[in-house]
Amino acid sequence: KQEVTQIPAALSVPEGENLVLNCSFTDSAIYNLQWFRQDPGKGLTSLLLIQSSQREQTSGRLNASLDKSSGRSTLYIAASQPGDSATYLCAAPTARGNNRLAFGKGNQVVVIP
Amino acid sequence: EAQVTQNPRYLITVTGKKLTVTCSQNMNHEYMSWYRQDPGLGLRQIYYSMNVEVTDKGDVPEGYKVSRKEKRNFPLILESPSPNQTSLYFCASSFRDRGQGNQPQHFGDGTRLSIL
Repeated sequence: KQEVTQIPAALSVPEGENLVLNCSFTDSAIYNLQWFRQDPGKGLTSLLLIQSSQREQTSGRLNASLDKSSGRSTLYIAASQPGDSATYLCAAPTARGNNRLAFGKGNQVVVIP
Repeated sequence: EAQVTQNPRYLITVTGKKLTVTCSQNMNHEYMSWYRQDPGLGLRQIYYSMNVEVTDKGDVPEGYKVSRKEKRNFPLILESPSPNQTSLYFCASSFRDRGQGNQPQHFGDGTRLSIL
């Protein structure tokens, strides 16, 4: 059974610092890993999907890497802004299919102006 | 605009009164699923559907029913709601992944259910 862990559960950083969010997963036989953002009381917004063949994906200030052999993914957010304050969720496919996702409990981020 | 639409967004009801949460997507996605999100437990899958008339249990299916009669709709039915089903519910959809790992999932804005 795929288990996804995100550490730390919560963190605060001053504006301008780079953010590093970690995700680990137990079953490395995956084709992709997806990072989402969730604002309080809102739905999930897909940020990045990294295919296992890509190892890394970038969108603006966001960069996500995937290391299947170690069961880890990292989301980097450069030059953080107060608008980056949110919960970031990592999701990996379960063994029962690429469409079925197992989620971590999230990294709750506060960027202090 | 491509989207997953859930209704209602908020609902307060009483134990035992049947309710349905609707989910509709306009992206022609084969795959649809329902999740519930609870503090400390994260997102857990309730049911999923790989296509019309094909549904299967997720990790926490007890107390829920689903149907998939049309490709765009995937309603979640609580026949006899109980307080432990108070939660934030999300519907998601995507194209069926055929081994390429390139199909992101799209989520609705959520439905907050309170069962008294």
